[in-house]
Amino acid sequence: EDQVTQSPEALRLQEGESSSLNCSYTVSGLRGLFWYRQDPGKGPEFLFTLYSAGEEKEKERLKATLTKKESFLHITAPKPEDSATYLCAVQPSGGSNYKLTFGKGTLLTVNP
Amino acid sequence: DADVTQTPRNRITKTGKRIMLECSQTKGHDRMYWYRQDPGLGLRLIYYSFDVKDINKGEISDGYSVSRQAQAKFSLSLESAIPNQTALYFCATSTTQYTGQTTDTQYFGPGTRLTVL
Repeated sequence: EDQVTQSPEALRLQEGESSSLNCSYTVSGLRGLFWYRQDPGKGPEFLFTLYSAGEEKEKERLKATLTKKESFLHITAPKPEDSATYLCAVQPSGGSNYKLTFGKGTLLTVNP
Repeated sequence: DADVTQTPRNRITKTGKRIMLECSQTKGHDRMYWYRQDPGLGLRLIYYSFDVKDINKGEISDGYSVSRQAQAKFSLSLESAIPNQTALYFCATSTTQYTGQTTDTQYFGPGTRLTVL
């Protein structure tokens, strides 16, 4: 069974204080690993897809990296508007490749 | 305008009532999904549809039914609502893309907050 574990559950940063969120996963063949951002009461907003170990993607202050067992979402010099829950999900290759398995998320709070 | 819309955005109902949540998309995607989100449990798949004639149960389909009225419309029904169906419900859409890598990124709607009293 595919599993995704995100840590920490919650992270509080000061504005400008860089840090990383972790997503550990087990999957029977990885088709893609996805990062989403979710604001309270809203739908998840797609950020990145990573396909293979060593891949990196960047968007503004966010950078996602992937190894064979985990992914990191690095946040450089965060601002208060980066406060949100960040969700990680994996999609398997093979027969059930429609299915996303989500982690429970990391709640990021950035204080001014 | 939003690519994926859901109606209603909020709904309060009573135990035993039948309710329908609706999802429409203008992304032109063939695949549509219904999820529920509960605090501490994350997102869980209720039903998914690969096209109008292909509907499948997800991991938590008991107590729910769906209808794919058109490629762009996918509705979720609770035949007899119960309090533990109180949750945030999300519709999502995707299509398989072949751009170097085969991917199937899911895009989510804004959600419906359902409360069953």
